[in-house]
Amino acid sequence: EIVLTQSPGTLSLSPGERATLSCRASQSVPGNYLAWYQQKPGQAPRLLIYSAASRATGIPDRFSGSGSGTDFTLTISRLEPEDFAVYYCQQYGSSPRVFGQGTKVEIK
Amino acid sequence: EVQLLESGGGLVQPGGSLKLSCAASGFTFSNNAMTWVRQTPGKGLEWVSAITGSGDNTFYADSVKGRFIISRDNAKNTLFLQMKSLRAEDTALYYCTKGRGELSGSCHDWGQGTLVTVSS
Repeated sequence: EIVLTQSPGTLSLSPGERATLSCRASQSVPGNYLAWYQQKPGQAPRLLIYSAASRATGIPDRFSGSGSGTDFTLTISRLEPEDFAVYYCQQYGSSPRVFGQGTKVEIK
Repeated sequence: EVQLLESGGGLVQPGGSLKLSCAASGFTFSNNAMTWVRQTPGKGLEWVSAITGSGDNTFYADSVKGRFIISRDNAKNTLFLQMKSLRAEDTALYYCTKGRGELSGSCHDWGQGTLVTVSS
């Protein structure tokens, strides 16, 4: 089973700053089938990125995904007020298709 | 517009059973894999089970294998999760999610969830 470790646990930043979130897999993710989700309080998660680097429909281009193998990154180029939330990565290249434990991006 | 509407959650005693449903609309249901994801209040996301568009292949987390069964009725555009031998640790908000394509494991669209509480 692949284990995903996200870091940092919490990221304290100001609006306009750049956010860099990491997701490290315990073994190579087949096909680089790695997704990123955003979840705000009281809401269902929303898909941001799939296949490591493809933006989902309607996602602003300030969100970008990169990486391959075991190391993946979600970058938010300039934080908007609505971007403060919890972010999860998920691998779906093999079963079980686990999620990481999440990174909270909070306002500094 | 994709819509996923979960139902069937509720309070059940340990050892009991419950069947969740997810009514789908706004897309060709049989062309897309579907996944159940759960979330304990205040905690992270846990992948539970997935099924291909045709229903021929199913996948389970170790924590539910042998107790939960995922299925679908493509004629009725409905996804199911039959849960048996429920435990306190199964208490969570259960989300129905849609993939992109027959085999997709990513969760492109999400319902609002149905709450399952396992307690005596």
